[in-house]
Amino acid sequence: EADIYQTPRYLVIGTGKKITLECSQTMGHDKMYWYQQDPGMELHLIHYSYGVNSTEKGDLSSESTVSRIRTEHFPLTLESARPSHTSQYLCASSVNTGDEQYFGPGTRLTVT
Amino acid sequence: KNQVEQSPQSLIILEGKNCTLQCNYTVSPFSNLRWYKQDTGRGPVSLTIMTFSENTKSNGRYTATLDADTKQSSLHITASQLSDSASYICVVSDRGSTLGRLYFGRGTQLTVWP
Repeated sequence: EADIYQTPRYLVIGTGKKITLECSQTMGHDKMYWYQQDPGMELHLIHYSYGVNSTEKGDLSSESTVSRIRTEHFPLTLESARPSHTSQYLCASSVNTGDEQYFGPGTRLTVT
Repeated sequence: KNQVEQSPQSLIILEGKNCTLQCNYTVSPFSNLRWYKQDTGRGPVSLTIMTFSENTKSNGRYTATLDADTKQSSLHITASQLSDSASYICVVSDRGSTLGRLYFGRGTQLTVWP
């Protein structure tokens, strides 16, 4: 099992709140990714990082932001949550781009 | 447009039976194709990886095939078990970008009944 962790696993929060989803990996991977997944739908890349101090937006437009201050840590922040942000958020990491990505268990976010 | 299409969308089989899941892709230039298993409420876990030159690869009761000419792949599950109930996702990587872009299918939801 991959050593990549996400917290919280489940979060129910009201509209307008600021939230941070945590993602940590102990594999020393430089490449890290955030995906958004709705039920029955494909994963959509929303952010990625090549390494420390590197962050890029993915294919799916997202109002969230990310930071990469440490290799092992890649948190995602929503400044003002809205019901449209309700989804599952998956964090992943890999050694190199194109390599197998190891996924965390995901955070199920519900914004009421 | 690079796409990955999977069929069927969902499948129900009895324990002990075999099944085959399909994946068609239009991703080009092709790098590799992976099948992932995603249990409910969990992240995907890689089952197999296939490169352009590989036709068949097995991982226990899972056997993946790849026809790079027709851009089709299949995942065959033998002697299904209740623990095989999950979503199976086909993921194709291209080699035309520095990101090693991944294209995800929507998955086939497999349910194994006792």
